Amino acid sequence: KAGVTQTPRYLIKTRGQQVTLSCSPISGHRSVSWYQQTPGQGLQFLFEYFSETQRNKGNFPGRFSGRQFSNSRSEMNVSTLELGDSALYLCASNHIPRTGRDEQYFGPGTRLTVT
Amino acid sequence: GNSVTQMEGPVTLSEEAFLTINCTYTATGYPSLFWYVQYPGEGLQLLLKATKADDKGSNKGFEATYRKETTSFHLEKGSVQVSDSAVYFCALSDYGGSQGNLIFGKGTKLSVKP
Repeated sequence: KAGVTQTPRYLIKTRGQQVTLSCSPISGHRSVSWYQQTPGQGLQFLFEYFSETQRNKGNFPGRFSGRQFSNSRSEMNVSTLELGDSALYLCASNHIPRTGRDEQYFGPGTRLTVT
Repeated sequence: GNSVTQMEGPVTLSEEAFLTINCTYTATGYPSLFWYVQYPGEGLQLLLKATKADDKGSNKGFEATYRKETTSFHLEKGSVQVSDSAVYFCALSDYGGSQGNLIFGKGTKLSVKP
């Protein structure tokens, strides 16, 4: 079974630009979560999608948005980039079993550098 | 709100030494608890988990026991190897509240010297 795929792996953008990151979850998983990882703030939850609907959202400004497609692939978008948006963005593919607790499987991340 | 506190790093050990990384949590409801490991330049890998009180998660020689009375989930390994050098994250998921939302500790960097 293929793992979680994130593209691109590395990205350099300029302040004020926008960026779109992509995540393909594990086949059969219908839920995807996004996290931001920075040295200062650690790992912070951005949002979670299930069957194309955003179910939960973290405390990030409206510049951060996302969506999920019918094939469960997800994208996140950051508009009007700021230097502080430089981070590793991690996508997690969520396994939601019929019984028991969910499990999250992480992709390798996209390293975004804003200059 | 829910939170996870884990010991500050970095932790430097010699090969075959005993490892403990402390983790305590604050949560409402009955959270699941996890340890994730991150190797340099990579994403997070689930190391082990426990879903209810007194459960012991184990994997690759690592163990952690869900202690509700002390709200702790300390990670232990009897004999570390150089290949265990990585950053370790304790996390919780409170299914009574948000789904698909893990709350992480700050991470503990482990360096194992030969």
